[in-house]
Amino acid sequence: DQQVKQNSPSLSVQEGRISILNCDYTNSMFDYFLWYKKYPAEGPTFLISISSIKDKNEDGRFTVFLNKSAKHLSLHIVPSQPGDSAVYFCAASAQGAQKLVFGQGTRLTINP
Amino acid sequence: NAGVMQNPRHLVRRRGQEARLRCSPMKGHSHVYWYRQLPEEGLKFMVYLQKENIIDESGMPKERFSAEFPKEGPSILRIQQVVRGDSAAYFCASSQLRAGDSPLHFGNGTRLTVT
Repeated sequence: DQQVKQNSPSLSVQEGRISILNCDYTNSMFDYFLWYKKYPAEGPTFLISISSIKDKNEDGRFTVFLNKSAKHLSLHIVPSQPGDSAVYFCAASAQGAQKLVFGQGTRLTINP
Repeated sequence: NAGVMQNPRHLVRRRGQEARLRCSPMKGHSHVYWYRQLPEEGLKFMVYLQKENIIDESGMPKERFSAEFPKEGPSILRIQQVVRGDSAAYFCASSQLRAGDSPLHFGNGTRLTVT
């Protein structure tokens, strides 16, 4: 039962353009959402989060959008830089839950 | 570096041996989580512990796997009688608050290879 889904295994974007990574979820109890970035042979690094009381959160080049009615969130990176090339995971948790549930990840490649 | 420390980084075991993975959380963090990542897959929750207590082990296989977080020392994930299917990257994460209230901070993982 995949409660958090990232349907695009990979995405290729030109440097300087916008990267948009998508994530869908099925559990309506989820109320806290996060994005993590992972380089090979390293652990995931926390990027940005959003709670269900908001529909947008911005931190520098990174913006996360949440559409609760569609059970969909997205991460926008603008402008994209070569160092952004990594695997991106979205994750979610429910009120009172003890764990994060992760999507399968999207491999982002930024081309010069 | 006050990050989450995991050791060893790489561990090779033959089938039937035991694997012990260690995790020291970030300073001030009392919540520890173990996740497993199989090749080309996302991270799967295994177990959530606080000091001396297992809070949620719903993701842990019922047999051969155990975890602890003693009052003193690191958290340990133990896999007895390893099989080839146990080969994976095992990540430990810690947080100040529980997962629904603050981000988890991950270590760099232990890559277990069972031959």
